[in-house]
Amino acid sequence: EIVMTQSPATLSVSPGERATLSCRASQSVSSNLAWYQQKPGQAPRLLIYGASTRATGIPARFSGSGSGTEFTLTISSLQSEDFAVYYCQQYNNWPVTFGQGTKLEIK
Amino acid sequence: EVQLVESGGGLVQPGRSLRLSCAASGFTFDDYAMHWVRQAPGKGLEWVSGISWNSGSIGYADSVKGRFTISRDNAKNSLYLQMNSLRAEDTALYYCAKGPSYDILTGYDYIDYWGQGTLVTVSS
Repeated sequence: EIVMTQSPATLSVSPGERATLSCRASQSVSSNLAWYQQKPGQAPRLLIYGASTRATGIPARFSGSGSGTEFTLTISSLQSEDFAVYYCQQYNNWPVTFGQGTKLEIK
Repeated sequence: EVQLVESGGGLVQPGRSLRLSCAASGFTFDDYAMHWVRQAPGKGLEWVSGISWNSGSIGYADSVKGRFTISRDNAKNSLYLQMNSLRAEDTALYYCAKGPSYDILTGYDYIDYWGQGTLVTVSS
């Protein structure tokens, strides 16, 4: 099973600033990586798939990059609604696995 | 609009069984693979099981293999999860989720839509 490790566990950023979240795979997952956002009491929402393709309706301030074992989610200018928990997920190998999440909080 | 509505959760004793259901609407159900993903209270996401459009391909997490059975009824636009021999560690919010492709194990096993979840609590 591929282990996905996200860092940091918690990230404190001020509104309007840039946030950079990292995700590392224990072995190569090619570009088969997705990012999700989850707000308290809500289901996750797909942000990025294929490591860098934004899902339908996702604002351009969200961008994904990376391949192989190292991936990054960047939020270019944080809005109040962006403070949430973010998960990465690899779907290159079965079973699909998620990272443990990064909580993005207001500084 | 895609809608996934789970039902069937509740409080159950260890060792007992429970069957979850998911009613799908807003898309052509039998064109897509479907999944169950769970989230223990205050914890992260764990993929549980997936099924292809025609039930020809099915996969399970090791943690539930041999105890849980996923199935679908395309005529009823419904997805199911039969959970047997339940354990305390199965306590979680169970999400019904839609994949972007008709099959699983093809490199398209991410989730593009999620339901709101149904809570399963295993406790004596």
